[in-house]
Amino acid sequence: EAGVVQSPRYKIIEKKQPVAFWCNPISGHNTLYWYRQNLGQGPELLIRYENEEAVDDSQLPKDRFSAERLKGVDSTLKIQPAELGDSAVYLCASSLAPGTVLWPQHFGDGTRLSIL
Amino acid sequence: GENVEQHPSTLSVQEGDSAVIKCTYSDSASNYFPWYKQELGKRPQLIIDIRSNVGEKKDQRIAVTLNKTAKHFSLHITETQPEDSAVYFCAVPSNTGKLIFGQGTTLQVKP
Repeated sequence: EAGVVQSPRYKIIEKKQPVAFWCNPISGHNTLYWYRQNLGQGPELLIRYENEEAVDDSQLPKDRFSAERLKGVDSTLKIQPAELGDSAVYLCASSLAPGTVLWPQHFGDGTRLSIL
Repeated sequence: GENVEQHPSTLSVQEGDSAVIKCTYSDSASNYFPWYKQELGKRPQLIIDIRSNVGEKKDQRIAVTLNKTAKHFSLHITETQPEDSAVYFCAVPSNTGKLIFGQGTTLQVKP
């Protein structure tokens, strides 16, 4: 079974430039998560999708961040414009639809973003 | 909201010794408790998890124990090996289903 696939693995951009990250979840996983992990800290949720619907985006800085999951499979996270403080690893995870039971979340390798 | 405290932040053991990492949480309704291992530059990898209807779960050299009354759970690694060196994170679900991660424990196993 293929795991969660993310691209690119690394991205270096100048501040104020746009950037986008792509995620392909594990086949059959209806729930998709985007996390941000700062150096030396645990991942923090940015947004959670159930199929195409964003059900928890309370931690997403909506002035500059956006996400989409148009067909309920792949997802894209965008930052425009990027700021120095956005330097972090952006992780995508997926799980089966939780329903009343919380299913294990499996992570991709992440995109390491560096803002110059 | 849910609050997760993880201790210790760093742990150094000799190869072959045991290691224990503890997490405490605040929401008594939490019912699922995973542990992740993250090697440098790699993805967080789920290594073991436990649900609230059991008190202990074991998988070879790793085990997790849960004390729902005291609201804490612990990761136990026995017969540690150098390849166990990594950062370990506990996590607890919030009432909206997202995982709240602990601050992480850097485990160093000295050969």
